[in-house]
Amino acid sequence: AQTIHQWPVAEIKAVGSPLSLGCTIKGKSSPNLYWYWQATGGTLQQLFYSITVGQVESVVQLNLSASRPKDDQFILSTEKLLLSHSGFYLCAWSPYWGFYEQYFGPGTRLTVL
Amino acid sequence: GDSVTQTEGPVTLSEGTSLTVNCSYETKQYPTLFWYVQYPGEGPQLLFKVPKANEKGSNRGFEATYNKEATSFHLQKASVQESDSAVYYCALSEGNYAQGLTFGLGTRVSVFP
Repeated sequence: AQTIHQWPVAEIKAVGSPLSLGCTIKGKSSPNLYWYWQATGGTLQQLFYSITVGQVESVVQLNLSASRPKDDQFILSTEKLLLSHSGFYLCAWSPYWGFYEQYFGPGTRLTVL
Repeated sequence: GDSVTQTEGPVTLSEGTSLTVNCSYETKQYPTLFWYVQYPGEGPQLLFKVPKANEKGSNRGFEATYNKEATSFHLQKASVQESDSAVYYCALSEGNYAQGLTFGLGTRVSVFP
């Protein structure tokens, strides 16, 4: 069975500080990987997707970047946090061939002060 | 672009009553449709998907029929329980597995005993 893990569970950071959030998928090779952002009480907004190691596509510009250093790992980062970055960050995966449903991780709650 | 419109929440119900969450969509393609459920502090979980028009999806007592002519995909449950309290999202995929899902704004459902 596939499992998806996100770290950290929660972060409280200062405006202007750097950020790195991580996501790991176990039990599935070559998944498509996605980052979503969810404002408190809001819907899900896709940020990035990746279909292979080293390749990441941006969907929305939010002064964030993403990388896929390994087949099973997806990293979200920024060098300077803004207040507007606060929210719930979700990593998701889908099987590579012909399936469109996505499976979400438990999320990371980010509070920027 | 694609859009998904859902029943505005919150929806408040008593246990044993029926639930309907309306979902309508606009897309140029022939989408696959999904219902996701999100409990507080967790990532969304896939409730079910329906890939084809005029077919029904169901899971955990919930069901929805993909009505291609009406471009609708309403979620229904005949008798809700307190454990059904959550936020429900309608979502669609146009079939490009490299891209993400388009989510509705979500409908918060609260069920009281």
